[in-house]
Parts: sequence; structure tokens; C-alpha cells
Amino acid sequence: IVMTQSPGTLSVSPGERVTLSCRASQSVRNNVAWYQQRPGQPLRLLIYGASSRATEVPGRFSGSGSETDFTLTISSLQSEDFAVYYCQQYNDWPLTFGGGAKVETK
Amino acid sequence: QVQLVESGGGVVQPGGSLRLSCAATGFPFTSFNNFAMYWVRQAPGKGLEWVAYVRYDGSNKRYADSVKGRFSIFRDNSKDMLYLEMKNVRPDDSGTYYCAKDRGIVVVPAAPDDLHFDSWGQGALVIVSS
Repeated sequence: IVMTQSPGTLSVSPGERVTLSCRASQSVRNNVAWYQQRPGQPLRLLIYGASSRATEVPGRFSGSGSETDFTLTISSLQSEDFAVYYCQQYNDWPLTFGGGAKVETK
Repeated sequence: QVQLVESGGGVVQPGGSLRLSCAATGFPFTSFNNFAMYWVRQAPGKGLEWVAYVRYDGSNKRYADSVKGRFSIFRDNSKDMLYLEMKNVRPDDSGTYYCAKDRGIVVVPAAPDDLHFDSWGQGALVIVSS
């Protein structure tokens, strides 16, 4: 299952709302997770089950979608949110990730 | 707070072998042998690629097609350790290898794994080059 993320790079300012998309090449039901990767930090699980926030993830992060189209939204971008974000499907083997979406400073 | 620490990375020649290790600590009210474990890799400047999976008790394993027959995942639950044995390595195996833990706890033997990852290590760098 191919996971396609868009856009590849997003240039934003702190306080802005950010919406990242992930499309699956076939239905994955709601079996999608989102991760954050920041330099020097371990990867961090943000969302699982398409819309459930992981432990200690701030409320400004939310996920939505089902079947083939999924969205990660950051309601008001904080400085620590500049990072690369990956979606992952776990509906079927092999487990696959999207190519990543980089959120950078405008 | 679960911590995962990888070791064993380095420079290896094409066709060579390498073993990566992952030490797991900090399981509050649970233990290492309650969770499936994984290896995920990232080529330099690229995205994430799942490599291998092992069930909590080692009874089931899966591999990405790109490493099947060359890599082997195993675990020692008595030592809270995860391993990746890499053989016949190729230049495109170069990258950072992360150890990751399944989010779901197995409380009964038949329980399914969550197949996504709530703890990650910092990674071990593998460079395949002559």
C-alpha cells in the first residue's frame, strides 16, 4: 500500500493553522498513524487510529479521515512543531510510511 | 518511560555482516516481553522504511521484501534486548536503523499487535561502503 503525502514542504509562521494530507493507494480503514521527527529527538507518535491522540500529545494536534484520505491538523503552530511529519498505514503488511512532509519557517 | 538504545552500527563492506542491538529499559507496570518490537530504517535524507517485526514472544516474524533472506530479527526477553542480524549487506542498506516498540500491550497470548510505534530509539548509523 503506497502512502502519498502532500505537500512535501510547507512554509508557515508560528500561530498559523497547518493541514497535512496523506492518501492511501487502497483502503486502510482507519489504520493510520502520524509521527513527528525533529532533529536530535526520537520519533514521536502523535496520532493513531486516524484520530486518537497519543499520550501527552497536545490538543492542538488532531487527525481525521478514513479509507484512503487522511489529514493531520495543527491548529496553531508552535515553534517546537517545525519538523517532518510522516503518516503510516498498519492495515496490511508490509507496514508503509508516506514520504514525509516538512513544516518549515516562512 | 520506556527508553530504547541502539548500538552496533558502523561501516561495513558490501557483502559483509553486522549485528545491531537495542537495549530496552523503563517499563512501568509492564515488561519488555509484553510488546512486539520492530526495526525501521531511514536512508540519508530520505523517509522511513519498516524493516522487520517480531512478536512479543518471538513466535512470529515478518520482513520487508528488501531485506528478506538477508536480515534476521530476534529478541532475548531475559535480557530485554532486541537484535537485527544483517548479512550480505548492500550499499542501499545504508542509513539510520531505529528500534521501535509496539503501542499495544499483549495481555493474553492471542491478542493482536497494534502495528504502530509509541517509543523509538535514537538510531544506529550503518554505512555500507568499500
